[in-house]
Amino acid sequence: SQKIEQNSEALNIQEGKTATLTCNYTNYSPAYLQWYRQDPGRGPVFLLLIRENEKEKRKERLKVTFDTTLKQSLFHITASQPADSATYLCACGPGAGSYQLTFGKGTKLSVIP
Amino acid sequence: DGGITQSPKYLFRKEGQNVTLSCEQNLNHDAMYWYRQDPGQGLRLIYYSQIVNDFQKGDIAEGYSVSREKKESFPLTVTSAQKNPTAFYLCASSMTNQPQHFGDGTRLSIL
Repeated sequence: SQKIEQNSEALNIQEGKTATLTCNYTNYSPAYLQWYRQDPGRGPVFLLLIRENEKEKRKERLKVTFDTTLKQSLFHITASQPADSATYLCACGPGAGSYQLTFGKGTKLSVIP
Repeated sequence: DGGITQSPKYLFRKEGQNVTLSCEQNLNHDAMYWYRQDPGQGLRLIYYSQIVNDFQKGDIAEGYSVSREKKESFPLTVTSAQKNPTAFYLCASSMTNQPQHFGDGTRLSIL
C-alpha cells in the first residue's frame, strides 16, 4: 500500500520568509497529490491539487511541485504570515475512478512575527 | 451555504454503549468518507461510500458501522466492539478524483 511521509513534524519560520514543506511517497506514482490546511479543532481545508503530468501549480502565495523521479512533492508558502500557522497535510490519490486518499501525518508550521 | 455538517461537536461514550455520529452534506457529492485522527497520526480511513446503499471498509473498519440510505447522509456508529474509540472523527465528501470537503469533526471521549 502507499505510504506518505511528511519529513518534518514541525517547522518554525520567520515572517516574510518562504516556508517549504516536503511530502514523499514510497510506492507507486500517484495520479495526483493534494495539499490541505488544518487548524486546531477543525477539519482540513483543500488548498491545491497537482496531477502527475504537471510539474508545478500556483495559487496566490502558494506553489506546489511534483517530481515523480524523486517521488516527492514540495509545498511552498512565499512571504509567510503568522496567519499561515497551521498543520499542512499531504494526500495522494492512486488513480482514475478511485475515491480513496492516503494522508501523511502533517507538518505543523509556525510563522514567527 | 454548501458544506458538510457534523454533529455533535463533542460526544461522550459509556462503556458498552454504541454511539452514532452524524454527517450531512448539501454539496450533491456522490462519495462520502469517515476518517479517524489521533494525536500525531495522519487521517485513517474507516469507511467510504461511492453511491447510495453501498459502502466499503477502509483501513480501520473494525468496531464501526455505517449506512448510506440517502445521498446527503452518512452516519457512523461506534460500537462497543471498538475498544479504543477516543479520537477526533472527520467526515468528508467529494466527486470522483476531486478534492475532499471536510466537516469540522466530532471529538469522542470515554466516560
